[in-house]
Formats: sequence, C-alpha cells, structure tokens
Amino acid sequence: DADVTQTPRNRITKTGKRIMLECSQTKGHDRMYWYRQDPGLGLRLIYYSFDVKDINKGEISDGYSVSRQAQAKFSLSLESAIPNQTALYFCATQNTGELFFGEGSRLTVL
Amino acid sequence: AQKVTQAQTEISVVEKEDVTLDCVYETRDTTYYLFWYKQPPSGELVFLIRRNSFDEQNEISGRYSWNFQKSTSSFNFTITASQVVDSAVYFCALRGIWGNQFYFGTGTSLTVIP
Repeated sequence: DADVTQTPRNRITKTGKRIMLECSQTKGHDRMYWYRQDPGLGLRLIYYSFDVKDINKGEISDGYSVSRQAQAKFSLSLESAIPNQTALYFCATQNTGELFFGEGSRLTVL
Repeated sequence: AQKVTQAQTEISVVEKEDVTLDCVYETRDTTYYLFWYKQPPSGELVFLIRRNSFDEQNEISGRYSWNFQKSTSSFNFTITASQVVDSAVYFCALRGIWGNQFYFGTGTSLTVIP
C-alpha cells in the first residue's frame, strides 16, 4: 500500500460543484502539502500544514480551502469548481528532507 | 527571490546516448537543499536525490550522476547510456534550510527513442 494515498484518483465534475480531494498518510510526518500541476507550469503550492493546528496559504490558494483533520489527513476543497481548476493535484508529506508524494488526483471541471 | 529554472522544455535522445538535464537556481539563502524528481508517464513523482548546499561533491548512482556547482548556481543531472524507461518528466527543486516551501522548476520532458 502507498504511504501517501489520495482519493479520488480521477474525478470529472461540473462548474459550480463542490469537490473534496482527500489525502492520508502512514509515514507519521507532521508536514503535509497540496500542489497543483499544470502542463508547462510545474508544481505550484496551494496550501501547506506543519501540524494539525497550522494551515498556511501557498502561492495559488485562491479558490481552494483545506482541512487538517488529523496528523495523517489533509483534505483540499474546491467550494465552487471552475474549468481553470482542471489539473493534476498532488498531496505530499515531509519529515525534514524531501517531499513524499501521493499518486495524484486528476480533476476535470467541465 | 527563490527560483528554479529548467530551460530545456523537451529533449529527445536515441537509446544509449548520454543526456544532461540542466537546472539553474536562485536563492538568497546561504544554506539550502536541491532535489531532483522523476515523473514517468504513469504520473507519480519519484524522488531521485537531495543535495545540501554545503556538499559540492558530485554524486553517481548507477547510470545517474549529478553535478552541483555553487559558483554557477547549477545542479545538472546526467543520464548515461539512456534507456527507454528513462522517458519521463524530470523536475528540479529548491528549498531553503529554514524555509517552508519547495520551489519547483517547470520540468524537462525527456523522450528516449528506441
């Protein structure tokens, strides 16, 4: 089983719908991140959290919110999805060194 | 400013050729980490290497090698005798030792032609 698990792996939704992407980890790391990947733009940080009571905005947080329900769980919400939020989303954890990524969630907003 | 530049958007090589992926970074930090990740066609992000700015020794791991040059702010990645399985997008990233964020380049898509 993957150490960092994202659900759903694929989702197609319509403009205006609320969407939640979930991330859970078994690595025991305190730091968790949500990134968005778009072709030609690399990975851009949406939100990050260093513990359950700590939530921080990244460079592209507008239109997104997060919840850190437990050390192991970090969810990303799109309150009202729009087509330009179509992207590949990655959750990641970190101890003190590198990031460990989930397998990604591909979201399509029609 | 913290920034990572991967100027090569796409590279194609024939199998068994050597290929170098360039990474240039900007940082105000005196101590920092540099990383390389691989994203194969299946989409997952695979960690390849982490380098501390204090350690300028080049590193070799099988067919992979990394050349870190602080003087030119570069951390280049060479694949020797490339194979089709090396076809992927490769990302370079930077994090300051006290920083909270990782800064990623836009990636280089490598295609190895059989």
